[in-house]
Amino acid sequence: DTAVSQTPKYLVTQMGNDKSIKCEQNLGHDTMYWYKQDSKKFLKIMFSYNNKELIINETVPNRFSPKSPDKAHLNLHINSLELGDSAVYFCASSQGQGRNQPQHFGDGTRLSIL
Amino acid sequence: AQSVTQLDSQVPVFEEAPVELRCNYSSSVSVYLFWYVQYPNQGLQLLLKYLSGSTLVKGINGFEAEFNKSQTSFHLRKPSVHISDTAEYFCAVSDRGLMNTGFQKLVFGTGTRLLVSP
Repeated sequence: DTAVSQTPKYLVTQMGNDKSIKCEQNLGHDTMYWYKQDSKKFLKIMFSYNNKELIINETVPNRFSPKSPDKAHLNLHINSLELGDSAVYFCASSQGQGRNQPQHFGDGTRLSIL
Repeated sequence: AQSVTQLDSQVPVFEEAPVELRCNYSSSVSVYLFWYVQYPNQGLQLLLKYLSGSTLVKGINGFEAEFNKSQTSFHLRKPSVHISDTAEYFCAVSDRGLMNTGFQKLVFGTGTRLLVSP
């Protein structure tokens, strides 16, 4: 019944490891996003996909690679994790083009780098 | 480019008191404005949005906001808060693009934590 679901909810790992976060939405939306929320709660867009195509790619290190196998899924793979990657990562979705659309957020993945 | 300023990082208030959370934005083009709420350990939920028309918009949970173009503000208000309103509140802006075409890129403020105590 969950609209936007992310897995895992918590991720604790060591520096240098590679990890993935998965996101799925069942709202029928065709645009999906990844955000990073830092320890001060500041929320910043990382990527956005529309119908599996990358449309927003902010200045994010190449270690971060999003993948959208279909319009209902958007995954985030992170290589060579660093301490500064510790944050909460949110997936969101919205319907179509149009800058007036509300976004629907998942509950976040809390990534902690040891 | 757009930017959003939420000057108050934290607003403590007693239950049943009124509250106003301030939001000012900067943009060289027309914008859409949003307020989102984040409860502990959850994602963001849309409270309300201003797209066009009446400058006073009503949202969920008794919240409302007023768009003031001359002051570039979009302050959020509630006449009587509940304990359950304790949360982080984010103001966000998106430029309108050409006739609302193109993809949305939301710019968020730094958030205001509303702390409601009995």
